[in-house]
Amino acid sequence: DAGITQSPRYKITETGRQVTLMCHQTWSHSYMFWYRQDLGHGLRLIYYSAAADITDKGEVPDGYVVSRSKTENFPLTLESATRSQTSVYFCASSDPDIHRDYGYTFGSGTRLTVV
Amino acid sequence: QKEVEQDPGPLSVPEGAIVSLNCTYSNSAFQYFMWYRQYSRKGPELLMYTYSSGNKEDGRFTAQVDKSSKYISLFIRDSQPSDSATYLCALRTSGTYKYIFGTGTRLKVLA
Repeated sequence: DAGITQSPRYKITETGRQVTLMCHQTWSHSYMFWYRQDLGHGLRLIYYSAAADITDKGEVPDGYVVSRSKTENFPLTLESATRSQTSVYFCASSDPDIHRDYGYTFGSGTRLTVV
Repeated sequence: QKEVEQDPGPLSVPEGAIVSLNCTYSNSAFQYFMWYRQYSRKGPELLMYTYSSGNKEDGRFTAQVDKSSKYISLFIRDSQPSDSATYLCALRTSGTYKYIFGTGTRLKVLA
């Protein structure tokens, strides 16, 4: 199916564990983004990528690692999960060269709880 | 001061009402303005896009940008219970493709 998919949808992990959230898009969009959404803070950018092998930090990158070896995949890894990383994580993609007016397309989110 | 301010609500209105949702911002360099709608436990979806100043209309929705006041609005006419969602504004400058999001306003349209 065409679109942007995130997995898993729900995840419970323990403090100190490493966890990876997956994001896959089928459009070959150049840009991909990871956001976290928390009450009172809205959507905050963690990392983004303008193309394969090009990534950059967003507003709240500490404690997270990303990679983008293929255009369609943009996994987000929490190296050592902390309770403050309990949140809903959204992946998004876009391609301004093709869809300047279309903004971002978001996945359905991953609800992560760190206990 | 946050770059983008948005009242979190909730805003409760009766069905058929005209709804006004707003964001204020501090960076005069913002040129691209978007509104997203987010239903509970779903990802945001793009509703309206506006470049620079002026109005844009799409069905029951109107997006308005007032750059002199650093104020953007989304109007919903003839609101429906299906419009109940959180509405987020998103803004960016021309030098980047990163959008800054407001915190969102939760809207409830009562049948």
